[in-house]
Amino acid sequence: DIQMTQSPSSLSASVGDRVTITCRASQTIGTYLQWYQQKPGTAPKVLIYAASSLQTGVPSRFSGSASGTDFTLTISSLQVDDFATYYCKQSYSLPITFGQGTRLEIK
Amino acid sequence: QVQLVESGGGVVQPGNSLRLSCAASGFTFSYYAMHWVRQAPGKGLEWVAVASDDGNNKQYADSMKGRFTISRDNSNNIFYLQMNSLRSEDTAVYYCARETSGVTKRFDLWGQGTLVSVSS
Repeated sequence: DIQMTQSPSSLSASVGDRVTITCRASQTIGTYLQWYQQKPGTAPKVLIYAASSLQTGVPSRFSGSASGTDFTLTISSLQVDDFATYYCKQSYSLPITFGQGTRLEIK
Repeated sequence: QVQLVESGGGVVQPGNSLRLSCAASGFTFSYYAMHWVRQAPGKGLEWVAVASDDGNNKQYADSMKGRFTISRDNSNNIFYLQMNSLRSEDTAVYYCARETSGVTKRFDLWGQGTLVSVSS
């Protein structure tokens, strides 16, 4: 199975901050990497797919990048609505695996 | 309206069975692979299983193989998860999700989730 190691597990930041979350795959996954946002009591929502493509309707302050087996989600200027938990997920091979999640909290 | 609606969750005793349903509407259900994903209370997301668009190919997470079975009814746009021999560690919110195909794979539509609680 492909392991997805996500960091940090939690993060405190302020409105307006630039935030970066990383995910490392245990083997090559090409760009079969997505980022999801989940708010308490709701289903996850896709933000980024194919490592760097922005899902329709997602604000442009979200971006993704890839370098080998390392992937990054960046929020350029945090808004109140962005405080949530974020997960990376690989769909290169089964079983599909998720990162452990990053809980983004208000400082 | 494009949506997925899960149902069938509830409280069940260890060793018993439960069947979850995921009703799709607003899109051509038979065009998409469908997945189940679960989330234990306070924990992260765990993939459960996938069925291909025609239902002929199914794959499961190792921890669920032999106990869980997925199926789909493309005539009525319903996706199922049959769970047998339930254990306390199966307690979770279960989500169904639609997957787009190709290199741009992603779960672009999720249901609201249904809670399964395994307890004596």
